[in-house]
Amino acid sequence: DTAVSQTPKYLVTQMGNDKSIKCEQNLGHDTMYWYKQDSKKFLKIMFSYNNKELIINETVPNRFSPKSPDKAHLNLHINSLELGDSAVYFCASSQVGGGTDYEQYFGPGTRLTVT
Amino acid sequence: SQQGEEDPQALSIQEGENATMNCSYKTSINNLQWYRQNSGRGLVHLILIRSNEREKHSGRLRVTLDTSKKSSSLLITASRAADTASYFCATGKTGGGNKLTFGTGTQLKVEL
Repeated sequence: DTAVSQTPKYLVTQMGNDKSIKCEQNLGHDTMYWYKQDSKKFLKIMFSYNNKELIINETVPNRFSPKSPDKAHLNLHINSLELGDSAVYFCASSQVGGGTDYEQYFGPGTRLTVT
Repeated sequence: SQQGEEDPQALSIQEGENATMNCSYKTSINNLQWYRQNSGRGLVHLILIRSNEREKHSGRLRVTLDTSKKSSSLLITASRAADTASYFCATGKTGGGNKLTFGTGTQLKVEL
């Protein structure tokens, strides 16, 4: 069973379009994340949701809007796509809290190409 | 801002040799984690070491942490071709959503 899944795996679109990436986790975790990995493989956190509430919001253009309908899902909607948005986007989840450190579980990634 | 710097950026070894990767970071941490990323795939968690720990082992992996030097190392012993991947360190802070800040990664190639 896939722990963290993302759809689609590949997304090719033109500048100015709006697109969404979906993420689901079946691990029972209460926290989910979106990361962006650029062409140099640098991985940077974008957002984090805990029980459907936004808890981390890095400096990301407001064209990016995460939505969490429930704690097992965290979708990423991107408006007015730009060339610089081309990257691989990873969803992740983890357990959080109790004063303990936890690892994160990553999805397979969505490669977004904006032309 | 980027937290971790990894060294070397790329490493090529023969199967059976040991591989050592280093990670340095800038601010205080609660934990440091190592992840592996195979080409075209997501990241897989390897090992987590807490700030009050100095060394941790998991199978062929050995991680050390020196908080006074703000550095960590990952040693893979008796490497195999299947270990070929990119390896990332990530520093974490307990609370605040378990935010991880990733390093630049080391690309390891293990040749037969």
